[in-house]
Amino acid sequence: DVKVTQSSRYLVKRTGEKVFLECVQDMDHENMFWYRQDPGLGLRLIYFSYDVKMKEKGDIPEGYSVSREKKERFSLILESASTNQTSMYLCASSYLGTSGYNEQFFGPGTRLTVL
Amino acid sequence: AQSVTQLGSHVSVSEGALVLLRCNYSSSVPPYLFWYVQYPNQGLQLLLKYTTGATLVKGINGFEAEFKKSETSFHLTKPSAHMSDAAEYFCAELSGGYNKLIFGAGTRLAVHP
Repeated sequence: DVKVTQSSRYLVKRTGEKVFLECVQDMDHENMFWYRQDPGLGLRLIYFSYDVKMKEKGDIPEGYSVSREKKERFSLILESASTNQTSMYLCASSYLGTSGYNEQFFGPGTRLTVL
Repeated sequence: AQSVTQLGSHVSVSEGALVLLRCNYSSSVPPYLFWYVQYPNQGLQLLLKYTTGATLVKGINGFEAEFKKSETSFHLTKPSAHMSDAAEYFCAELSGGYNKLIFGAGTRLAVHP
């Protein structure tokens, strides 16, 4: 079974803190993704990575950065957390593939509250 | 811009009743379409997908969806709802390379006795 794990299920941070959200997958997937999930807005892509040290902005990258030093690990960084970053954060991974679609597998999510 | 629209943020049905969750996509090229389910406190799980071929797609847990190009729709159905179907359902479309997905806003399904 593919497993995508996220370091925390719940996290509470203060405004201005630097926050790290970690994601690890065990299936040797090339692609990894970070989404935020908000009621009424569905999932929105923050950043994705298709290889070690490679990253691309998604639809809402402002206020976030990412790091991928190892293939299995993809970190989301909030340089200076703000209250509008309170959300559920979901990590996903998939094979890169050469054509068609390869299923994205999701982690359980981290619910981040910024006070 | 590419978008996925789910009509109805909340749907409530009785146990045993038909489930119908609506999804419309915007892509003008042949789309790849998906339905994901999210049970409480869990990540998303793929229910079914349409890539090419048969327009009626069967998924897990008795769900199916029909791709209708003329209506740009991909509605999700299940003939008889079960209490365990209570969850949030997301429709998504493949967007560009690298397996990126665009998601709809989600529909929360409640099933009552």
